Amino acid sequence: DQQVKQNSPSLSVQEGRISILNCDYTNSMFDYFLWYKKYPAEGPTFLISISSIKDKNEDGRFTVFLNKSAKHLSLHIVPSQPGDSAVYFCAANYGNKLVFGAGTILRVKS
Amino acid sequence: DAGVIQSPRHEVTEMGQEVTLRCKPISGHDYLFWYRQTMMRGLELLIYFNNNVPIDDSGMPEDRFSAKMPNASFSTLKIQPSEPRDSAVYFCASSSSGLAGVPETQYFGPGTRLLVL
Repeated sequence: DQQVKQNSPSLSVQEGRISILNCDYTNSMFDYFLWYKKYPAEGPTFLISISSIKDKNEDGRFTVFLNKSAKHLSLHIVPSQPGDSAVYFCAANYGNKLVFGAGTILRVKS
Repeated sequence: DAGVIQSPRHEVTEMGQEVTLRCKPISGHDYLFWYRQTMMRGLELLIYFNNNVPIDDSGMPEDRFSAKMPNASFSTLKIQPSEPRDSAVYFCASSSSGLAGVPETQYFGPGTRLLVL
């Protein structure tokens, strides 16, 4: 029962272009959504979050969009940089617990 | 702040042996979470504590797994006896209560890579 799905295992983007990572969820009770970035041999690092009462949150090069009716959120990175190459996890919160997606490997080519 | 500290970073053991993983949360954080990451199941929550009390252990796979938090600065996850299918990366994370008393952003440790032969 995958409540949070990241259907793209990987994404390759040219440096300077936009990276768009997608996430779908099934549980309408999720009240908070987060994106984490993970480098090899390190723990996930918090990137950006959005409350379920909002539809957009922006932090520098990173913007998260939430479409509640479609149960879909996306992370936009613009411009993409080689240092952004990592695994990106979408996570959803309900009842103090986070449910994670399987992750998307982002490769930014220089 | 040093962040969440986990030890050991790597553990190789033989089937049947006891394994103890350790975690020191960020000072002042009152929530502590244990996660396991595998290729098959991704990142899944095993158990979490609030103010040193276990709140939800529904993710603990079976009785071979146990977790304790004797004080605010230390937690252990124990597997006894260990099995090859327990091989995974185990993460500890901590967070503090927000204004509404629910956890804020979770901060993860570097993880313990466990291999059970």
